[in-house]
Amino acid sequence: AQSVTQLDSQVPVFEEAPVELRCNYSSSVSVYLFWYVQYPNQGLQLLLKYLSGSTLVKGINGFEAEFNKSQTSFHLRKPSVHISDTAEYFCAVRPKPPNAGKSTFGDGTTLTVKP
Amino acid sequence: ETGVTQTPRHLVMGMTNKKSLKCEQHLGHNAMYWYKQSAKKPLELMFVYSLEERVENNSVPSRFSPECPNSSHLFLHLHTLQPEDSALYLCASSPVAMNTGELFFGEGSRLTVL
Repeated sequence: AQSVTQLDSQVPVFEEAPVELRCNYSSSVSVYLFWYVQYPNQGLQLLLKYLSGSTLVKGINGFEAEFNKSQTSFHLRKPSVHISDTAEYFCAVRPKPPNAGKSTFGDGTTLTVKP
Repeated sequence: ETGVTQTPRHLVMGMTNKKSLKCEQHLGHNAMYWYKQSAKKPLELMFVYSLEERVENNSVPSRFSPECPNSSHLFLHLHTLQPEDSALYLCASSPVAMNTGELFFGEGSRLTVL
């Protein structure tokens, strides 16, 4: 079984400031890791994913995340946010083969970018 | 066309009504999912279909009835719902059920039960 904890339910930040959204997970098997974004009145869309290889992954809209196996974390960062980044962000994990299983999502972090 | 399309986007229904939510994916995927997203609650997986066969049902009340006539279409039939069923219902697809890749979501159907 897996669980995902997003450590901050709400993150307010000023425009052009850096931001970090924190995600910790626990799992009895190896997992793939994902960050999704949900803009108001829309569904979720993939920001980035970690499958293997380099622990620093880059996604869309200038976001990046770093996988830390020893700390079981996958924190999302952006060096300079825009008003348009205001949205709900979800961290998720999914078991690696040969294990199969559903995606497990965190509770979400609301990022509010203020002018 | 967008990858995953959901209709209607908004639905208001009484507790005695019968309605259906529709989802269509244009990505050539073989697996489709229904999720429920309620305010201040985590995303809840309701049903998973793989190659039109239901492979997961997470103890969802029988007032929700899914149907997958082919790999491109997924329905959620609703009847005698309760006010606590008001939520955003999200459809998603993936190439293979429970695979290692990401999910592709529709924009959701916002359901209000009066």
